[in-house]
Amino acid sequence: KQEVTQIPAALSVPEGENLVLNCSFTDSAIYNLQWFRQDPGKGLTSLLLIQSSQREQTSGRLNASLDKSSGRSTLYIAASQPGDSATYLCAVLHYNQGGKLIFGQGTELSVKP
Amino acid sequence: GAGVSQTPSNKVTEKGKYVELRCDPISGHTALYWYRQSLGQGPEFLIYFQGTGAADDSGLPNDRFFAVRPEGSVSTLKIQRTERGDSAVYLCASSLDRSHYGYTFGSGTRLTVV
Repeated sequence: KQEVTQIPAALSVPEGENLVLNCSFTDSAIYNLQWFRQDPGKGLTSLLLIQSSQREQTSGRLNASLDKSSGRSTLYIAASQPGDSATYLCAVLHYNQGGKLIFGQGTELSVKP
Repeated sequence: GAGVSQTPSNKVTEKGKYVELRCDPISGHTALYWYRQSLGQGPEFLIYFQGTGAADDSGLPNDRFFAVRPEGSVSTLKIQRTERGDSAVYLCASSLDRSHYGYTFGSGTRLTVV
């Protein structure tokens, strides 16, 4: 059974810092991995999608990497801003679990001005 | 439409009542998913539709939960005899293809059972 873990559960940093959020998964047989952002009381906004054949994806200040063999992904946020404060979720689409995404519990990020 | 639309955004109901939650996916998306998110947790899968049929309903917690997608577009999640433990945010997502195109989520329906 695929399990997804995110560390840390919460993170507080001063504005301007570069930071890394971690996601690990137990079964490497995945189609893709997706990082989402969730603001309090809101739905999920897709940030980056990495296909299983890819190593990384970049969008603006965000860079996500994928290492299937070790079951790990990282989300790197450069020059953090208070507007980056949110919960960040990673999710994998597994070969043997139909169309469903398996989510981690998320990392709650707070960027202090 | 431009995004995935879910209605209502908030629903408060009494224990034992029946509720319906609606999801309007992105036009042309054949795959539709329902998830449930409790406070402080990641979303948990409920059911997945490919077209009109439920391709995987293994996440539905019990027979009080049912979902339909009769014309392959709008979907309704139905909960009978609601219990306080059903209180959560119910999220809907759609996708062009389950494997390669990623998912677009709606803003969710916050269900509170009192």
